[in-house]
Amino acid sequence: DVVMTQTPVSLSVAIGQPASISCKSSQSLVHSDGKTYLNWLLQRPGQSPKRLIYLVSKLDSGIPDRFSGSGSETDFTLKISRVEADDLGVYYCLQGTHFPNTFGAGTKLELK
Amino acid sequence: QVTLKESGPGILQPSQTLSLTCTFSGFSLSTYGMGVGWIRQPSGKGLEWLANIWWDDDKYYNPSLKNRLTISKDTSNNQAFLKITNVDTADTATYYCARMGFAYWGQGTLVTVSS
Repeated sequence: DVVMTQTPVSLSVAIGQPASISCKSSQSLVHSDGKTYLNWLLQRPGQSPKRLIYLVSKLDSGIPDRFSGSGSETDFTLKISRVEADDLGVYYCLQGTHFPNTFGAGTKLELK
Repeated sequence: QVTLKESGPGILQPSQTLSLTCTFSGFSLSTYGMGVGWIRQPSGKGLEWLANIWWDDDKYYNPSLKNRLTISKDTSNNQAFLKITNVDTADTATYYCARMGFAYWGQGTLVTVSS
């Protein structure tokens, strides 16, 4: 199975400050079709996960451009340029390239 | 508008078979490229992908549970199903279904395995 290693485990950030989460995969996430199926999800307390970013860097509809995704092959990053209160929760990376699909362990974003 | 909703027994006893239903709208599992997957999350823990089923009836299972999982679909009624045999307390979790691509998720259904 592809192991997704997410760091940090938790992140304490003041409103208006930037945040960055890393996700490293144990093997390349480039699919045979040439695409890289790396997603970022946010799970707010008591809610279902919500996809923010797909194909490494594409923002889902309605996701503010404070969020950005980057990376390639095995090394990926989610950045929030200015954290807002609504951004709190647990962030997961998820690879959809290989079966079984696998998730990172999550990064809990808290307010400082 | 795409929606998904899971339903399940709520509570069941060890060794029983867990049957879950995902009822969805806004897309069809008979459409090329469409798929539905099941994911679970023990309370306070991370997410685990379990199985996918695709428009062409192709199926993928998590090898860690493969012998216990069966995924199926009813295209006419816009439903997908997951059965997990021989459950134990480690199967206690919230179970989600999601349209493949993971852009759309259900609200989840809590399943507790307890004697």
